[in-house]
Amino acid sequence: NAGVTQTPKFQVLKTGQSMTLQCAQDMNHEYMSWYRQDPGMGLRLIHYSVGAGITDQGEVPNGYNVSRSTTEDFPLRLLSAAPSQTSVYFCASTLKIGTGVREQYFGPGTRLTVT
Amino acid sequence: LAKTTQPISMDSYEGQEVNITCSHNNIATNDYITWYQQFPSQGPRFIIQGYKTKVTNEVASLFIPADRKSSTLSLPRVSLSDTAVYYCLVGDMMNYGGSQGNLIFGKGTKLSVKP
Repeated sequence: NAGVTQTPKFQVLKTGQSMTLQCAQDMNHEYMSWYRQDPGMGLRLIHYSVGAGITDQGEVPNGYNVSRSTTEDFPLRLLSAAPSQTSVYFCASTLKIGTGVREQYFGPGTRLTVT
Repeated sequence: LAKTTQPISMDSYEGQEVNITCSHNNIATNDYITWYQQFPSQGPRFIIQGYKTKVTNEVASLFIPADRKSSTLSLPRVSLSDTAVYYCLVGDMMNYGGSQGNLIFGKGTKLSVKP
């Protein structure tokens, strides 16, 4: 059981380039989400998915696309990278425990630099 | 979405009990209170979650007064390895999956444990 995996761990892009950050989980969680974390800040939600084929926008969705073709995978696409997208990106999946408790499992993160 | 307020930083010494208080005056009926821990260069890790009164697990206790407008995370006998950022989040766990269920991460409390 690998939990939540993210690739790559580090990436440097030039302004205008596009790329896809990969996220996978092997826990059969329905809910997955993408966050970005800037230095000294908390995490901000980019996009989330409540199940295969269903996605929605979070707090800061501009410049990013997502898709959810399978339960396991939730890739994040940067359409045209900008320096403002320099950040650490975390993917998470959520375990539902009983009627109330939900626990998010986070991946190790992808550190992205856009020059 | 309920906003949370917590101290920016706290200092402690090994072996002491640490209590971090979070204010959430606008908490809604369906909101649960969740605490996460984050070490540098890692994704956040779930610590504890509760709705009211007291919740205890193997690493922490969570105290929630009757009015639920605040909560206190208690870490017994901290060690150097407890140095991290601690986030208090409030979210609708019953309807988790829609926009109301998304958790908002603030800047957290940076706990420094000294020898």
